Formats: sequence, structure tokens, C-alpha cells
Amino acid sequence: EPEVTQTPSHQVTQMGQEVILRCVPISNHLYFYWYRQILGQKVEFLVSFYNNEISEKSEIFDDQFSVERPDGSNFTLKIRSTKLEDSAMYFCASSLLAPEAFFGQGTRLTVV
Amino acid sequence: SQELEQSPQSLIVQEGKNLTINCTSSKTLYGLYWYKQKYGEGLIFLMMLQKGGEEKSHEKITAKLDEKKQQSSLHITASQPSHAGIYLCGAGRGSTLGRLYFGRGTQLTVWP
Repeated sequence: EPEVTQTPSHQVTQMGQEVILRCVPISNHLYFYWYRQILGQKVEFLVSFYNNEISEKSEIFDDQFSVERPDGSNFTLKIRSTKLEDSAMYFCASSLLAPEAFFGQGTRLTVV
Repeated sequence: SQELEQSPQSLIVQEGKNLTINCTSSKTLYGLYWYKQKYGEGLIFLMMLQKGGEEKSHEKITAKLDEKKQQSSLHITASQPSHAGIYLCGAGRGSTLGRLYFGRGTQLTVWP
């Protein structure tokens, strides 16, 4: 069964460092998303991407965040200068028919 | 923004018992999505409900949508330890962009 895959599963980084979280969405899907979940809190939307551009972003998705789809298969989230409060589980999701999204296993980001 | 309230927050049941989880929206529902999450892992799509009165089943899990009450319920029949996890409801806003808003989740424990 096709699935969304995310790498790495766990990333530890120092405050101020840049991180790139990677995702391979399901191959025929058209919509791509990043969500995050801070420990004990709700799953929160960050950004959606369609037709090679950002279609929507939340107030959380400020200038330190960026997304890219560098080739036909990968979808990345970059955090330019990480802060302690960026520590969270980051989920990539994709869908063929928005918003019925299929999620990856997540990347646990720990900023120290 | 869309606010989704789930109840109960947690549920502990004996194997074989039936249970119901509710999700109530503060706004009109344009599709209601149920996901299951195991602690520290990704979200597994269970089912999507779009029309008032719609009811869907998957194995021993049934979900219903009451559009007038802006509410959905998830019912598990004859629960098993494999049903344990966190159940999340998510809702869209009716646009094609696909952003989902999530409830806080209901933690289900099933003891043998």
C-alpha cells in the first residue's frame, strides 16, 4: 500500500541551526502539507502546497520556514534558524482529493 | 478558526466493550475526518464523512455525521487491545485548499 515516508525519524539540532525535514509523498498525489504537533498539544497546520506553490499557510509558518518540492518526488520543510519552541513532531501529508490527507510517520525534532 | 471539541479526553474500557467518542464543531462542518494515532507516531486515516446523516463503517468502527448538530461520533463495537490509541477528528473549512483543523484527541486504552 502506498505511503508517505519521512526522514529522518528523529533529529536533534542546536538552537540557531538550520534543519531540513524530508518527505516523499504518495506518488500520484497533488496536494502536500506540513503539520506539527507539540508534545501534548493539537496537530496544527503549517502549510499546504499545490501546483508547485504554497496555497495556504498558517500564522505559525513565518519567515524562518520554507517548503520546496525540488524534484518530482521529494517535499521538504526547512527551518532556517531553529528555536527551542520549534521542538515538535512534524508530519508531512499528501492527498489526491483535498483535504483527505494521508500522513507520514513524522519527524521528531528536538532543539537543544 | 474551526474549533473541534472531543469527548471524552480519555477512555479506559475492558476488551469486548463498546464505546463512543464524540467530536463537536464550533462551525459548520465541511467534511469530518477521523484519524487514529499511536503515541509518538503518525496519523492513520480511518474515514471521511461528508454529508449529514452519513454513516461509514470499517471493521468494527462506525462513524456518523450529524450536520445539524455539527457533530460526529465514532463507535467501536467489541473493542480489542488493537483499538488502543489516540483518536483525532479533523475538519476542513469547505475550501479546496485542504487545511484540516484537529481536535485534541481522545486517548483510548483497552485492557484485556
